[in-house]
Amino acid sequence: EDQVTQSPEALRLQEGESSSLNCSYTVSGLRGLFWYRQDPGKGPEFLFTLYSAGEEKEKERLKATLTKKESFLHITAPKPEDSATYLCAATLGGAQKLVFGQGTRLTINP
Amino acid sequence: EAQVTQNPRYLITVTGKKLTVTCSQNMNHEYMSWYRQDPGLGLRQIYYSMNVEVTDKGDVPEGYKVSRKEKRNFPLILESPSPNQTSLYFCASSYRGNTEAFFGQGTRLTVV
Repeated sequence: EDQVTQSPEALRLQEGESSSLNCSYTVSGLRGLFWYRQDPGKGPEFLFTLYSAGEEKEKERLKATLTKKESFLHITAPKPEDSATYLCAATLGGAQKLVFGQGTRLTINP
Repeated sequence: EAQVTQNPRYLITVTGKKLTVTCSQNMNHEYMSWYRQDPGLGLRQIYYSMNVEVTDKGDVPEGYKVSRKEKRNFPLILESPSPNQTSLYFCASSYRGNTEAFFGQGTRLTVV
């Protein structure tokens, strides 16, 4: 069964403390890997799309990378406003749908 | 501004009383879908539509209906809501089903 798994479930960091979130997938042919940010009670906000192993995308303090089995969202010197739940999703094989992971709830303490 | 608009944002209703949640997008996207989000279960797809008059079941379609009469609109219908449909609902649209999706702000539904 195609699956997307995120770890950790929750992560608490101090402001300025860099870290990484993981998204692993078991799939028969990855077509695209997507990262979203979700604030409480709001809709997911699109961040990045990655299509092939080795690809990297950056936006402010966030950098997403992709290997053949997993993706990482690296957060450099985070600020309290980076606190949110980060979701990854994959389009797998020939399916016309996104399969979401459970998300990582990130808290940045000032 | 490109957006997906859902209404209402909040809804409290009683068991069995039919309701409709509207969804509209202004990006001329072909693909639209509905998700529900529950604690510990993540986002699960309810129904999707690849184009006008083309709809299909997602992972959790029981108790829901949809229609796609126009490209921009994709309403979600609960004909006889039950308490287990209490959830946070999101509409999303995308160019194709396997491209990045853009989400509405969500509808928090409580069925008592």
